[in-house]
Amino acid sequence: GAVVSQHPSWVICKSGTSVKIECRSLDFQATTMFWYRQFPKQSLMLMATSNEGSKATYEQGVEKDKFLINHASLTLSTLTVTSAHPEDSSFYICSAGGHSQPPYFGAGTRLSVL
Amino acid sequence: AQSVTQLGSHVSVSEGALVLLRCNYSSSVPPYLFWYVQYPNQGLQLLLKYTTGATLVKGINGFEAEFKKSETSFHLTKPSAHMSDAAEYFCAVTNTGNQFYFGTGTSLTVIP
Repeated sequence: GAVVSQHPSWVICKSGTSVKIECRSLDFQATTMFWYRQFPKQSLMLMATSNEGSKATYEQGVEKDKFLINHASLTLSTLTVTSAHPEDSSFYICSAGGHSQPPYFGAGTRLSVL
Repeated sequence: AQSVTQLGSHVSVSEGALVLLRCNYSSSVPPYLFWYVQYPNQGLQLLLKYTTGATLVKGINGFEAEFKKSETSFHLTKPSAHMSDAAEYFCAVTNTGNQFYFGTGTSLTVIP
């Protein structure tokens, strides 16, 4: 089946630093990618939708200047958490889908901000 | 608008017993419905999906789900639970095939 690779799987950073998370579709072209955030014991909350070659669409309440999304190619989307703070600590999951593919999910990135 | 309700945030079954995880949806258009499983500190793995056609859908690991339009339900079942089935299960709905709305999840515990 289709594979979505997410990297890193776990990152620990100091407060105030920026962290970049990568999401790659390995065997298909992903025209659309999605970024979710998941708090412990909770469901996934959609943060933003990114379409290749255009600006991401952010869900209400998500700060676009804090969570920078770039989808520069059909196989790669990046989420950069800028000036991370402890409250940004969470599990971030991406999904990638094309026109004829259901979205497949990455394995997630656990972000811990000290 | 679309939404998903998963009844029961925690379900415990004995090994070998029937697994039933409930999911009801709300959608103004014919929905696509999905079940995903999540193991600790991992992403989501697709178990099965309903788009069109046969309303009884079979997925991986012996799971199946039945789309019942009259009941707006898409319950997940497995005849005999295995210890390895212990995980978090999410029901999701979409009508575009891309933007998903997830339920709050059901944590399945399998008792030996």
